[in-house]
Amino acid sequence: KQEVTQIPAALSVPEGENLVLNCSFTDSAIYNLQWFRQDPGKGLTSLLLIQSSQREQTSGRLNASLDKSSGRSTLYIAASQPGDSATYLCAVRTFSSGSARQLTFGSGTQLTVLP
Amino acid sequence: DGGITQSPKYLFRKEGQNVTLSCEQNLNHDAMYWYRQDPGQGLRLIYYSQIVNDFQKGDIAEGYSVSREKKESFPLTVTSAQKNPTAFYLCASRSGVGQPQHFGDGTRLSIL
Repeated sequence: KQEVTQIPAALSVPEGENLVLNCSFTDSAIYNLQWFRQDPGKGLTSLLLIQSSQREQTSGRLNASLDKSSGRSTLYIAASQPGDSATYLCAVRTFSSGSARQLTFGSGTQLTVLP
Repeated sequence: DGGITQSPKYLFRKEGQNVTLSCEQNLNHDAMYWYRQDPGQGLRLIYYSQIVNDFQKGDIAEGYSVSREKKESFPLTVTSAQKNPTAFYLCASRSGVGQPQHFGDGTRLSIL
């Protein structure tokens, strides 16, 4: 069964820093991986989707990489801003039996960017 | 604007009562999903539907029921059999294989 881990659970950085959020997964037979942002009391906002054949995706100050063989993805945030403060979740869609249509979520990294 | 609308935003349930959470989307997406989120945990899948009039159980379906009579709507009923229903419930949809999943703003369910 796929398991997704995000470390650290919480991270606090000063404004302007570049930072990396980590996501690891146990089953490398993934279809794709998606990074989300969640603000307190809100739903999830999709940030980036990486297909299994891709190595990375970029959107503005965000860059997500994928290394299937090692079961890892990173989300790089450049020049962080207080508005980036939120919980960031990664989720993988796996080919494993019975779960090809399901996303498995990590428990998230709560990011605080201090002004 | 296209999106996913969940209502109500807050819901309270009495003991022994069934409650229904609404999820409507105007994105013309075929697949719809219901998740439960507990504090400090990732999302867990309750039910999903790939097409109208068809749905499958997720990892934690016990105590919940759904219907998919229209493409736009996927309501979730939390029955009295669900003994620990207090949680944040999220509805999602996507257009097809390989496409990103999009979420509504959630419904927070509490017990009176």
